[in-house]
Amino acid sequence: EIVLTQSPATLSLSPGERATLSCRASQSVSSYLAWYQQKPGQAPRLLIYDASNRATGIPARFSGSGSGTDFTLTISSLEPEDFAVYYCQQRSNWPSFTFGPGTKVDIK
Amino acid sequence: QVQLVQSGAEVKKPGASVKVSCKASGYTFTSYFMHWVRQAPGQGLEWMGILNPSGGSTTYAQKFQGRVTMTRDTSTSTVYMELSSLRSEDTAVYYCARDLSITVAGIRDYYYGMDVWGQGTTVTVSS
Repeated sequence: EIVLTQSPATLSLSPGERATLSCRASQSVSSYLAWYQQKPGQAPRLLIYDASNRATGIPARFSGSGSGTDFTLTISSLEPEDFAVYYCQQRSNWPSFTFGPGTKVDIK
Repeated sequence: QVQLVQSGAEVKKPGASVKVSCKASGYTFTSYFMHWVRQAPGQGLEWMGILNPSGGSTTYAQKFQGRVTMTRDTSTSTVYMELSSLRSEDTAVYYCARDLSITVAGIRDYYYGMDVWGQGTTVTVSS
């Protein structure tokens, strides 16, 4: 089973700052990685698929990069509504769609 | 608009079963696979399985095989997830989520992610 590790566990930043979130896979997942945002009491929202493609309606300040085992989600300038938990998820290891443990981005 | 509406909260005793529904609207029900994902209190996301609403075929995560059954009713555009032999560790919010598929050069590919989510159904297992 492919294990995803996310770092840091918590990222404390101020609005307007740049956020860089990491996701590492225990073995290569090619580019088959997605990112989600989840706010308290809400369902997750798809942000990025296939490592670098923004989902429909996702603002350009969100970008994804990486391939193989190392991936990054970048939020170029944090808006107040961006403070949330972010999960990565791989689809390489069918039939398993494992998620990472999440990174919480909170207000400094 | 595309929407997934799930059934209400459930409280069950250990050993019982629970059946959660997810009604789809705003798109062609049989054209998109449906995932089920759960989230225990304060924990991360856990994928449970996927259903093809067109033919009814399913694939379950190994952890849930033998305990989970996913079905659909095409006449009402509804998918169901039934989990049996409930234990306290099954206390969680259960989500249905539509699979994101992409068509490139006329060929449709699947499993890119989960692009539409239900609101979640809280299942509490307690004696």
